[in-house]
Amino acid sequence: SSELTQDPAVSVALGQTVRITCQGDSLRGYYASWYQQKPGQAPVLVLYGENNRPSGIPDRFSGSSSANTASLTITGAQAEDEGDYYCGSGDSNNNHVIFGGGTKLAVL
Amino acid sequence: EGQLVESGGGLVSPGGSRRLSCTASGINFSNYNVNWVRQAPGKGLEWVSSINSRSSYIFYADSVKGRFTISRDNARNSLYLQMNSLRAEDTAVYYCATQNWGPGTFDIWGQGTMVTVSS
Repeated sequence: SSELTQDPAVSVALGQTVRITCQGDSLRGYYASWYQQKPGQAPVLVLYGENNRPSGIPDRFSGSSSANTASLTITGAQAEDEGDYYCGSGDSNNNHVIFGGGTKLAVL
Repeated sequence: EGQLVESGGGLVSPGGSRRLSCTASGINFSNYNVNWVRQAPGKGLEWVSSINSRSSYIFYADSVKGRFTISRDNARNSLYLQMNSLRAEDTAVYYCATQNWGPGTFDIWGQGTMVTVSS
């Protein structure tokens, strides 16, 4: 089956810009969706499709994709953006869903 | 606003069975594809199973195929996961989630229910 690869950890200074990436062959055929998860809470969808934000998600979150790589960019990171970020997409080999291993974001 | 509430988690012996439920409110449940996603302690998200709105398309992760069965009752706004032959590696928080766009896009999540497989 396919895999999605994320960096395990990323840090950003308060107010600066950070990019979190997700790589995998399935992203050549499917858009990535992005989830934020804080300790003890369920994941929250923050981006999906080409660059769509669900209602209530701040516009400092944006997305892009190219070839087999999807990116989540936070422009002007805030302390409340700390948490784990997961990408997810369809699996190009079957009708399954796959997730990346997650990126822990620290806002310094 | 839509809400999902899972129930049925608990401690199960290896080889045992458990049935999880997920009840929806505030949405037209029968219009949604729904999924189960799990998360082992300290680990990442793992997709488990999906079922479309009419129960005509059902898929399972290889890790649970043949042991788990997903089903739904649209009249009761409910989703189920029957888990048999449970193993220690099935220990996780189990979330139900609605899919409102493409595969892998889950817009509404429940709070999760913990299943612990241990003797």
